[in-house]
Amino acid sequence: DIQMTQSPSSLSASVGDRVTITCRASQNIDSYLNWYQQKPGKAPKLLIYGASSLQSGVPSRFRGSGSRTDFTLAISSLQPEDFATYYCQQSYSSPQTFGQGTKLEIK
Amino acid sequence: QVQLQESGPGLVKPSETLSLTCTVSGGSVNYYYWSWIRQHPEKGLEWIGYIYYNGNTYYNPSLKSRVTISVDTSRNHLSLEMYSVTAADTAVYFCARAPSAIPRAYFDSWGQGTLVTVSS
Repeated sequence: DIQMTQSPSSLSASVGDRVTITCRASQNIDSYLNWYQQKPGKAPKLLIYGASSLQSGVPSRFRGSGSRTDFTLAISSLQPEDFATYYCQQSYSSPQTFGQGTKLEIK
Repeated sequence: QVQLQESGPGLVKPSETLSLTCTVSGGSVNYYYWSWIRQHPEKGLEWIGYIYYNGNTYYNPSLKSRVTISVDTSRNHLSLEMYSVTAADTAVYFCARAPSAIPRAYFDSWGQGTLVTVSS
C-alpha cells in the first residue's frame, strides 16, 4: 500500500493567516492526489482533486500543488470556517489511502 | 444535487455481520463508482472498497475476505456487508461517490456517516 504522511499533525493559526499543509507519498503517485476538509461530526468535503484542480464551489483561497511524491495544500487568508481537519488521499493505485490528517486550530 | 444517506444498525455483536445501506437521492447510481469508507473514533480514514453501477467491485485487500458490496440500480442504493466483526470494526461508516475509477477516483459526494459499534 502507498503510505501518505501529512505534516504537521496539528497547526495553530489566526484568522487572516496563510497556512500550508504538506502531504508526502511513499512512492510516485503522479498528480493523483486529493484534499478533503472535515469538520467535527461531518463527512469529509472535497477541496482539491488531481493535486491542483479546485472542486466546484470551493473558495479560491484554497490552492493545491505538487506532483510525484510531494504535495502542498495552501490556504490564504484563513477564515473562521476553515478551522477543521484536512486529509490528503492518493488515488494512483488501490487500495486508495489517506493521510493521517492535519488539525487546523484557532490560535 | 445528489444526496447520500447511510442506514443500518448502530450496534452489532462480535462475530456477527454488519449490514449497511446507502440510499442515493437526487441522482442516479448509474455511471458512477460507489465506495464505502470508514473512520475509527478519533482516527483517520480507511477505504473499504467500491462498486461500479454494473456490479464490478474492488476491495481493500486488508478487508477483502470479510466484505461484500452490492448495488441495486432499481432502488438506487448500495449495500455493505462485513462479516465476523470485532471491536476493531467500530467506526463511522461513510458511503461516497467517485466520478471515475482510479487513478481519477476522488470522492465528490459523501453521506453523513453512521456510527457502528461492535459490542456484546
